[in-house]
Amino acid sequence: DTEVTQTPKHLVMGMTNKKSLKCEQHMGHRAMYWYKQKAKKPPELMFVYSYEKLSINESVPSRFSPECPNSSLLNLHLHALQPEDSALYLCASSQGSRGQSPLHFGNGTRLTVT
Amino acid sequence: AQSVTQLGSHVSVSEGALVLLRCNYSSSVPPYLFWYVQYPNQGLQLLLKYTSAATLVKGINGFEAEFKKSETSFHLTKPSAHMSDAAEYFCAVSGIYNQGGKLIFGQGTELSVKP
Repeated sequence: DTEVTQTPKHLVMGMTNKKSLKCEQHMGHRAMYWYKQKAKKPPELMFVYSYEKLSINESVPSRFSPECPNSSLLNLHLHALQPEDSALYLCASSQGSRGQSPLHFGNGTRLTVT
Repeated sequence: AQSVTQLGSHVSVSEGALVLLRCNYSSSVPPYLFWYVQYPNQGLQLLLKYTSAATLVKGINGFEAEFKKSETSFHLTKPSAHMSDAAEYFCAVSGIYNQGGKLIFGQGTELSVKP
């Protein structure tokens, strides 16, 4: 069982919908991440939160809006997505944001935009 | 700048045979290196990591990797493949001065195991 929990597992949404992806960890990790993964490709970093503050935004379109309500929770708010945004969205956490801390991944949310 | 190259997008071995997945890195600073495995419809799971201690690193599920600075390599091996090892494997690098947890992934190697 993964220690990073993501909900929902699957999500289908239209281009005009607003939805949110949720991520939770209880390992006391202070860094949390959102990644996007297309089929047969490596994960692509979207956002990094360190101590509940946004530290990295990899030039992600504004239709993706991250939120970190507290040190255990990470949300990704979705609005007006495009079909090309269909992908597996992975949440991860690490003890710190230094390079030697390995990432712990959730099982992801499979998003389909119709 | 840092980068990772995984040689071979697909590797096929017979059950019981040696598994060798190749990873070469480029880094201008001392690197931290990781191998992750991804099973279908799951997230990534850490197999092992190199963080400048022993150069031969043992991980979970019988995997190990050796850091060779002279060859800038961090190849993943397992003496005897099992059917359950079939998955996608990613090599990744970050640096000692890593800015905010940025992990650079290779393109991945899909491992198939034949009975």
